[in-house]
Amino acid sequence: GAVVSQHPSRVICKSGTSVKIECRSLDFQATTMFWYRQFPKQSLMLMATSNEGSKATYEQGVEKDKFLINHASLTLSTLTVTSAHPEDSSFYICSATLGTALSVGYTFGSGTRLTVV
Amino acid sequence: GESVGLHLPTLSVQEGDNSIINCAYSNSASDYFIWYKQESGKGPQFIIDIRSNMDKRQGQRVTVLLNKTVKHLSLQIAATQPGDSAVYFCAENAGGTSYGKLTFGQGTILTVHP
Repeated sequence: GAVVSQHPSRVICKSGTSVKIECRSLDFQATTMFWYRQFPKQSLMLMATSNEGSKATYEQGVEKDKFLINHASLTLSTLTVTSAHPEDSSFYICSATLGTALSVGYTFGSGTRLTVV
Repeated sequence: GESVGLHLPTLSVQEGDNSIINCAYSNSASDYFIWYKQESGKGPQFIIDIRSNMDKRQGQRVTVLLNKTVKHLSLQIAATQPGDSAVYFCAENAGGTSYGKLTFGQGTILTVHP
């Protein structure tokens, strides 16, 4: 089945530093990947849509200069949290579509727990 | 904006019982719905989906019901097992230019007691 790999699973960084999170589709080409953020005991909130070879589309209220998204290939999208602050501590999850038809659900990565100290 | 909501309910059941998890959605343009299971510290796991041209779909031990008239979605789990304990989310996609973008409900915590 379709697998999305996310790395790292956990990361702790100092306030003011940047952190990069990788999302890879292992056995399929994902033209579109999505990045979500989930705070404790809350739901997933879409941050941005990442399309291969083009600029990401950010949801309202998400700072594009703070959350840099790169989708350089059909199997890799990266999210970089720049100048991280404690309020950026969250669970970040990516997902990828399996194709252009809505025949299957979207596959999610295992998530990255970011803690900014 | 429009959203899918679950209002943070919790559901506790005994092993072997049937579970019903409900979800209300507000975007009448949504045409595709998915139920996900999320265990602690993990990403959402696909359970079952349904398109808006259907009102019922069955999987292994799970059934999703869609009532477009009242914008309601439910997930039924038969013979619930301790391994079913998790947070369950419904999600919707509005299609069209919103293809691929999922709006998630707030989640229901399901606890299954042996």
